Amino acid sequence: EAEVAQSPRYKITEKSQAVAFWCDPISGHATLYWYRQILGQGPELLVQFQDESVVDDSQLPKDRFSAERLKGVDSTLKIQPAELGDSAMYLCASRAGGSEQYFGPGTRLTVT
Amino acid sequence: DAKTTQPTSMDCAEGRAANLPCNHSTISGNEYVYWYRQIHSQGPQYIIHGLKNNETNEMASLIITEDRKSSTLILPHATLRDTAVYYCIVSLSTRGSGGSNYKLTFGKGTLLTVNP
Repeated sequence: EAEVAQSPRYKITEKSQAVAFWCDPISGHATLYWYRQILGQGPELLVQFQDESVVDDSQLPKDRFSAERLKGVDSTLKIQPAELGDSAMYLCASRAGGSEQYFGPGTRLTVT
Repeated sequence: DAKTTQPTSMDCAEGRAANLPCNHSTISGNEYVYWYRQIHSQGPQYIIHGLKNNETNEMASLIITEDRKSSTLILPHATLRDTAVYYCIVSLSTRGSGGSNYKLTFGKGTLLTVNP
């Protein structure tokens, strides 16, 4: 069964450093989402792509976060510089034309 | 998007039905009810969704009240592997605008613990 791939699974970085996460959605899924999940909370949408275009980045802290999906396939989420409050799980999800979003296993980020 | 209210936690005995309630009194006519669950340290998993009719699939049943102000997710025979946080979400359909209006706004969900 096709799955959303994310890497790395775990990342420890020092504050003020740059960090990047990668997501490979299920083949053929045009819509891709990045979520952030703080411990004890539900996932929060950061950015939504339709193919290579951003359709919603209203919750993305644009002073330090950036996201791209250059060829409309895989995507990268970057944080520069990382802050202590960025410690969280970063989840990627993809969707074809239907309602179901398929989530990857996430990247657990710890900022020290 | 309409807001949902769920109990913080629930317990269920293995093999029994688990009934998870959700209130969404401000739901609008074109909003669907979605259920996802998240097993510890994994990404969320889609369970089921519906508009106004009851729905059933291989995982669960969704019962929506006639006024659509509340719903219940039913796991007919809960197993230990069903222990997870269950999220009830209301959102617009994926139809139109490439589904750009379809967004999942997660709350804190209900932690369902299935006990042996």
